[in-house]
Amino acid sequence: HVQLQESGPGLVKPSETLSLTCTVSGGSIRSYYWSWIRQPAGKGLEWVGHIFTSGSTEYNPSLEGRVTVSLDTPKNQFYLNLGSVTAADTAVYYCATIFVTTGKPSFDIWGPGTVVTVSS
Amino acid sequence: DIQLTQSPTSLSASVGDRVTITCRAGQTISTYLNWYQHKPGTAPKLLIYAASSLQSGVPSRFSGSGSGTDFTLTIRSLQPEDFATYYCQQSYRTPWTFGQGTKVEI
Repeated sequence: HVQLQESGPGLVKPSETLSLTCTVSGGSIRSYYWSWIRQPAGKGLEWVGHIFTSGSTEYNPSLEGRVTVSLDTPKNQFYLNLGSVTAADTAVYYCATIFVTTGKPSFDIWGPGTVVTVSS
Repeated sequence: DIQLTQSPTSLSASVGDRVTITCRAGQTISTYLNWYQHKPGTAPKLLIYAASSLQSGVPSRFSGSGSGTDFTLTIRSLQPEDFATYYCQQSYRTPWTFGQGTKVEI
């Protein structure tokens, strides 16, 4: 049974880089696809980006090239880096698996989320 | 981007009520539509995938329907644990997008 856990700094200064780790347990990172989703306080959910086991990635264009998702297979972890952050990047960040059936993806298993605040 | 519009944005209901939430897509998305339940301080939970398939472990009182641009999530008999915010999400084309959410309150 796959479980996910986000970790990383809860406070990041404006213009710096937000870096988060998602640790996968109960399954191999080679067996799934992986995604990051965030939710600013009082707002809805926003897809950030995802990575396939091949290493190919897709990102939300709204993040204007600031985002990178990568994975470390031996460590069973994947990562989010978001550069040049502003207060608008303050949110709860979730990592999630992507479940694909009949070619249709969905976010199957989610981590509990981690709060990141951008402030000086 | 494909916009998803949920209605209503909030509703008040009682235990035992039948609840229907709709999600309209800005363009046709076939059945690339998923539904999630989200309670404060917890991880969102996948309820329905591919518009009408019930995720394993989800009670059968939840059902989904629709294709193209119009979709519906129905809760047949609302239970106390169902009070939450519900989101639709499309995976037809990136950027994958979510509806703005429907809060189901007592």
